[in-house]
Amino acid sequence: DTEVTQTPKHLVMGMTNKKSLKCEQHMGHRAMYWYKQKAKKPPELMFVYSYEKLSINESVPSRFSPECPNSSLLNLHLHALQPEDSALYLCASSLRTGTGANEQFFGPGTRLTVL
Amino acid sequence: AQKVTQAQTEISVVEKEDVTLDCVYETRDTTYYLFWYKQPPSGELVFLIRRNSFDEQNEISGRYSWNFQKSTSSFNFTITASQVVDSAVYFCALSEAASGNTGKLIFGQGTTLQVKP
Repeated sequence: DTEVTQTPKHLVMGMTNKKSLKCEQHMGHRAMYWYKQKAKKPPELMFVYSYEKLSINESVPSRFSPECPNSSLLNLHLHALQPEDSALYLCASSLRTGTGANEQFFGPGTRLTVL
Repeated sequence: AQKVTQAQTEISVVEKEDVTLDCVYETRDTTYYLFWYKQPPSGELVFLIRRNSFDEQNEISGRYSWNFQKSTSSFNFTITASQVVDSAVYFCALSEAASGNTGKLIFGQGTTLQVKP
């Protein structure tokens, strides 16, 4: 099973809403990532979890709150977002961090629209 | 500083043509890793290949081939006999061993390939 799944596929939310994005992998990977991708741009790294611990926060605003309940699951909690946060949110996983060698496998993404 | 440049923003070809996507990278690390990803309109990034800096062998996988040249810091990707299903955005990416404990990928800006029937 070489699949990363993400739910929901699409999400529309108001600026006062609270919502969560979910990501799951069953490849035994111990590193998981959140990326944000705007149209016609490359993915931008937001967070890295290594062995269920947050290892990188790329200066992401606190209205985005990641959570890694176990080695297979990664959540991104959203609160008080702005319209400019509308983007494709991609989850990825890799065997581990610690070397640069491990390719990341991406999920299909959640297309988020903030009204 | 690490950087990946994909100078071709958009390429349009007719089916069955060969097409090469260019990737030039900059790094001070002696050990690094290069990747190519494909992003079709559906949005998911699909891993295509990883190449280690100490292995300059070129690689062929079906209609895909990759030419890694350290002398010119390039890692180009060629699709032979292109098909409409090859239409996608292609990203080249770099990961340095020194920063490997972060797992961070440095992406190029991407090349949009359109294959017309």
